[in-house]
Amino acid sequence: DAKTTQPTSMDCAEGRAANLPCNHSTISGNEYVYWYRQIHSQGPQYIIHGLKNNETNEMASLIITEDRKSSTLILPHATLRDTAVYYCIVSRWRDDKIIFGKGTRLHILP
Amino acid sequence: EAGVTQFPSHSVIEKGQTVTLRCDPISGHDNLYWYRRVMGKEIKFLLHFVKESKQDESGMPNNRFLAERTGGTYSTLKVQPAELEDSGVYFCASSPRTGGTDTQYFGPGTRLTVL
Repeated sequence: DAKTTQPTSMDCAEGRAANLPCNHSTISGNEYVYWYRQIHSQGPQYIIHGLKNNETNEMASLIITEDRKSSTLILPHATLRDTAVYYCIVSRWRDDKIIFGKGTRLHILP
Repeated sequence: EAGVTQFPSHSVIEKGQTVTLRCDPISGHDNLYWYRRVMGKEIKFLLHFVKESKQDESGMPNNRFLAERTGGTYSTLKVQPAELEDSGVYFCASSPRTGGTDTQYFGPGTRLTVL
């Protein structure tokens, strides 16, 4: 079973920052937080991952709380193409299979 | 660089028939994974190949499902005989190394409908 809790859905205005929360209160010390998304009719797509420190790449930023029990994925300037289901996943680095939960359905509003 | 490709994109079959799904991973990727999403449910792991060997097949639902990866290149997933509950979208993913959830690249999926 997934070890994370996410809101079922969220709306965000186009051009604004989308902040997607995730709770993972039972995360272990050797587990990473990963984010994937699935745009309609496509396969899942990796976004970002982190262990303790905040991370940023060309797609998004990941903010992990100091106690690591929750995190937030930030899409800095959301576009309509960011409409998707976003999955927060907790996994050890050496785990090979991805355990997807229900995710958050993000709607970007024009 | 070509991504992960899957064939067919859609398949409609009748209960009791056989269907074979194909996945071509990214060239050079030793790891190949199968996942599926059945209607209204979450995406679930099925199995993992390292080259031609099955590393983990803990997610395979039953013995009606047979996955192969001869020669360590493309993989096939055969469902025989198909049942109604097998309907869903089957995803394939590949990665260049074992471990590291970030490096899985997914294909577009095959939508299977069993009537």
